[in-house]
Amino acid sequence: DARVTQTPRDKVTEMGQEVTMRCQPILGHNTVFWYRQTMMQGLELLAYFRNRAPLDDSGMPKDRFSAEMPDATLATLKIQPSEPRDSAVYFCASGHGLAGSREQFFGPGTRLTVL
Amino acid sequence: AQSVSQHNHHVILSEAASLELGCNYSYGGTVNLFWYVQYPGQHLQLLLKYFSGDPLVKGIKGFEAEFIKSKFSFNLRKPSVQWSDTAEYFCAVNAFNSGNEKLTFGTGTRLTIIP
Repeated sequence: DARVTQTPRDKVTEMGQEVTMRCQPILGHNTVFWYRQTMMQGLELLAYFRNRAPLDDSGMPKDRFSAEMPDATLATLKIQPSEPRDSAVYFCASGHGLAGSREQFFGPGTRLTVL
Repeated sequence: AQSVSQHNHHVILSEAASLELGCNYSYGGTVNLFWYVQYPGQHLQLLLKYFSGDPLVKGIKGFEAEFIKSKFSFNLRKPSVQWSDTAEYFCAVNAFNSGNEKLTFGTGTRLTIIP
């Protein structure tokens, strides 16, 4: 049963610290998405990759957030420095980007708390 | 750019009641439509999707949705809900001709089923 995996599942850190979240997309999927979910804003798209290349990161605060795909099996989302307003659940999703598909498979999320 | 509206923020029903959750989108072109469910503390899972063909789509767990193009709607229905359907439900749209796999999510509808 292929699944998207994310680590860590929970992260508590202090303001100013660097946070790195990792995602392993489903093998064979060539599109990866990072979402942030908060009570106030709901589900927001932060960044989106296809074949490891960033296609859209317009939803991401550029001054502190960065997203990369070092290889096809790993996507990372980094926050440096972290702030309390970054507290949220961060979801990774992957898809295989076939024409007309568009279905995304979500990981279990990383719950980030910045104190 | 596409947008999605879910007007019901919180719906409370008794078991065995019928359910209909509203979803309207704004986009003039061809769309792919999705309903995702998020059970408490879990990640988003796909309930059903519409790409083309029969506008009445059946999904998992007895859910169905009807695409009405003239109304830009994709409402989710279930004839008889169960306590286990308590969850948050998200409608999402992908603009098929936009050349990307981005999904735009609605703000979600929290469904509470009373035993």
